[in-house]
Amino acid sequence: QSALTQPRSVSGSPGQSVTISCTGTSSDVGGYNYVSWYQQHPGKAPKVMIFDVSKRPSGVPDRFSGSKSGNTASLTISGLQPEDEADYYCCSFAGSFTWVFGGGTKVTVL
Amino acid sequence: EVQLVESGGGLVQPGESLKLSCATSGFTFSAAAILWVRQASGKGLEWVGRSRSKAYGYATAYAESVEGRFTISRDDSKNTAYLQMSRLKTEDTAVYYCARRLSYNLDVWGKGTTVTVSS
Repeated sequence: QSALTQPRSVSGSPGQSVTISCTGTSSDVGGYNYVSWYQQHPGKAPKVMIFDVSKRPSGVPDRFSGSKSGNTASLTISGLQPEDEADYYCCSFAGSFTWVFGGGTKVTVL
Repeated sequence: EVQLVESGGGLVQPGESLKLSCATSGFTFSAAAILWVRQASGKGLEWVGRSRSKAYGYATAYAESVEGRFTISRDDSKNTAYLQMSRLKTEDTAVYYCARRLSYNLDVWGKGTTVTVSS
């Protein structure tokens, strides 16, 4: 049950694109198409932004997109907005109805 | 509106026990799987455990870090899930969230309750 690996921080100017990677193993990210991404603003509960690798819940802007290749999943934020500044966590199903999270990435809007 | 509200957090000494509650509304609780996730101050999210729905016999599973010390239960008549924490350690200090599992993601979260383990 090792945590998934994410960069500690990424940054971009308004309007730019940023991509956050999430690396796991064949027992989690690589083994299932069940990666989700959560946005967390300070002092708030996490909010799902992407599920099942690339699906967006209703109400999430389409500038958020997800993908996966092998054992690495990615979240891309296109057209970065000031309100996108937050912590982002990936999460993967790891079999037997257990889950593992990434360490989190702080997105800074310059 | 789907809601989850955690309660029961507080300050306890190492080795003591604490029971958290997750009161839910707005959905059919007995048909839902519930997960517990925690977050130490300034740290990332950590999956703690889960309880599957009635259809799956309320099966539970836990992270290695809490296996044997934490127990998840639920009372469908009260639409409430519980996290019984025993033999608490200082490293269990965190905000504890409950969340509803929809398919393979956590679609609704509570606001969390804070547990502090300190002498």
